[in-house]
Amino acid sequence: GAGVSQSPSNKVTEKGKDVELRCDPISGHTALYWYRQSLGQGLEFLIYFQGNSAPDKSGLPSDRFSAERTGGSVSTLTIQRTQQEDSAVYLCASSLMGQGPEAFFGQGTRLTVV
Amino acid sequence: GQQVMQIPQYQHVQEGEDFTTYCNSSTTLSNIQWYKQRPGGHPVFLIQLVKSGEVKKQKRLTFQFGEAKKNSSLHITATQTTDVGTYFCAGLTSYGKLTFGQGTILTVHP
Repeated sequence: GAGVSQSPSNKVTEKGKDVELRCDPISGHTALYWYRQSLGQGLEFLIYFQGNSAPDKSGLPSDRFSAERTGGSVSTLTIQRTQQEDSAVYLCASSLMGQGPEAFFGQGTRLTVV
Repeated sequence: GQQVMQIPQYQHVQEGEDFTTYCNSSTTLSNIQWYKQRPGGHPVFLIQLVKSGEVKKQKRLTFQFGEAKKNSSLHITATQTTDVGTYFCAGLTSYGKLTFGQGTILTVHP
């Protein structure tokens, strides 16, 4: 596609429910990042995928958070048993590592846990 | 692990004043990138610096990369209301991971 696509754009869920957030990176981009951004705050790193290497999960805040990247393309971030503090904008970014490695961000998914 | 620290966290200026944000990495970087996030938007790439001591300009914006390739700065001359937003630096390590600083939120009062 022309850019990084994230879905849904908005998600309201009840506390305790599971949610899945999807990211379609730019075709051919080998690196994919997930970040979380609370209102008026900076970017909180969650997870990084690079090619076929084991993902860097060092930013995941708890074991309720997990992510996978199938076939080196689409990625899904799953949050189990959501809590109100999970409310934030979840941003996905992709880059073509090693060649013009700037990151391109999606529009984000705004998650609200009520 | 690698850390990228950015200061200040917030900066409020009057229109016409200058603005600077600073970025420091705990490790030597392959390159440093700068992004701007407008309110309600997502971060958008501005520029990349690769060489030690490199200086680049984009109109009123001046970007510098330190001699040791561990620090960088973004300076805006004579701020305008259109400069409002969050400015992020991001350091690229030799093994390919991009690490973002926490960002500086710039507010410009007309």
